[in-house]
Amino acid sequence: AQRVTQPEKLLSVFKGAPVELKCNYSYSGSPELFWYVQYSRQRLQLLLRHISRESIKGFTADLNKGETSFHLKKPFAQEEDSAMYYCALRGYGGATNKLIFGTGTLLAVQP
Amino acid sequence: DAGITQSPRHKVTETGTPVTLRCHQTENHRYMYWYRQDPGHGLRLIHYSYGVKDTDKGEVSDGYSVSRSKTEDFLLTLESATSSQTSVYFCAISESTVPTGELFFGEGSRLTVL
Repeated sequence: AQRVTQPEKLLSVFKGAPVELKCNYSYSGSPELFWYVQYSRQRLQLLLRHISRESIKGFTADLNKGETSFHLKKPFAQEEDSAMYYCALRGYGGATNKLIFGTGTLLAVQP
Repeated sequence: DAGITQSPRHKVTETGTPVTLRCHQTENHRYMYWYRQDPGHGLRLIHYSYGVKDTDKGEVSDGYSVSRSKTEDFLLTLESATSSQTSVYFCAISESTVPTGELFFGEGSRLTVL
């Protein structure tokens, strides 16, 4: 079964501290993984995708197929990073953008 | 905002009444999706469409139907609303003709079923 697990409902850190939002997945084929973010009073939007291997707003995420993980990391948290973060998955090369989302982690960055 | 609008943005209704949510896009994007967002469940796909009159079920489609008679509109209908359908509903589109995993979301419609 396809599944995305985000074990933490809430992650609270202080400004300047490192951040790691955990995401584990279950998928029988070759997955594509994504991180979406929803800032307060804004629309849900794509943050990054593993295929791009890019860093967005200082965030990076590496797909670890051995551990079936796609953790989101940032070395120094900023207050503006406070948001709800969703990990999402789809089958590689899928014919649609049907995404399976995790339950989300609320990141709260304290001053 | 990728030209997506949802209506109504807020609705309170009573159990057993029909409800229709509308998603409108200003571009001719092929793929449209309806998700619901619930605490502890994240976003779950209800239905999606890959063209006019072409729709398919998602993971939580029971109690919901959809229609897409025009490219720009994707309607989600609750034939007889129940309290378990109290949720925030998000419409999303794919801008690319080749699926890339990037969805553009609407602002959401908050539905309360009393």
